[in-house]
Amino acid sequence: QVQLVQSGAEVKKPGASLTVSCKASGYTFINYDINWVRQAPGQGLEWMGWISAYNGDTNYAQNLQDRVFMATDTSTSTAYMELRSLRSDDTAMYYCARGAYSGTSYGLEVWGQGTTVTVSS
Amino acid sequence: DIQVTQSPSSVSASVGDRVTITCRASQDIGIWLAWYQQKPGEAPELLMYAASSLHSGVPSRFSGSGSGTDFTLSISSLQPEDFATYYCQQSNSFPYTFGQGTKLEIK
Repeated sequence: QVQLVQSGAEVKKPGASLTVSCKASGYTFINYDINWVRQAPGQGLEWMGWISAYNGDTNYAQNLQDRVFMATDTSTSTAYMELRSLRSDDTAMYYCARGAYSGTSYGLEVWGQGTTVTVSS
Repeated sequence: DIQVTQSPSSVSASVGDRVTITCRASQDIGIWLAWYQQKPGEAPELLMYAASSLHSGVPSRFSGSGSGTDFTLSISSLQPEDFATYYCQQSNSFPYTFGQGTKLEIK
């Protein structure tokens, strides 16, 4: 079945970097976009960015643009999200989500299980 | 950036009631609005896309409408499993902003 499986929980110190992976299965990886969304404890959803698994094009949220990097490895059907210079307010659940076949404009159809990230000294 | 404002932030209702949630975009987004349901401790799930299209497997008691700047999600005849938090997201242009969420609670 179609699924996205994310890497495990992380605990990081302020100033460190984080990489979350998102391994896709059950579909042709390059045919679908991947988005990253995060959710701080008790808060709403925040869109972080988008990557085309076909050609690697990206678009990032402006407030994260200087610290975030997204990539894909088509040989392993895996998407990655790197966040640098971590701060305490980066503490959140991080999700990868797959867009529809016709593009993300048609919604985020499949979600990973989430990766808990805690930033604390 | 396009801002997306949801209302109400919370609503109480009973099983069998009809509930409507609204989402307003700060500029014309055509039909490019999606709705998601999130239950505690779970990832969000897609309900509606392109304002009024029901995602596969979603019960027909969910419906969406609107275009331009004003959109609604309606749930007819609430079921116990519908009590959750609902989010809208505009997908007309980057960044694909989410609304603040509406928590649907049991009265």
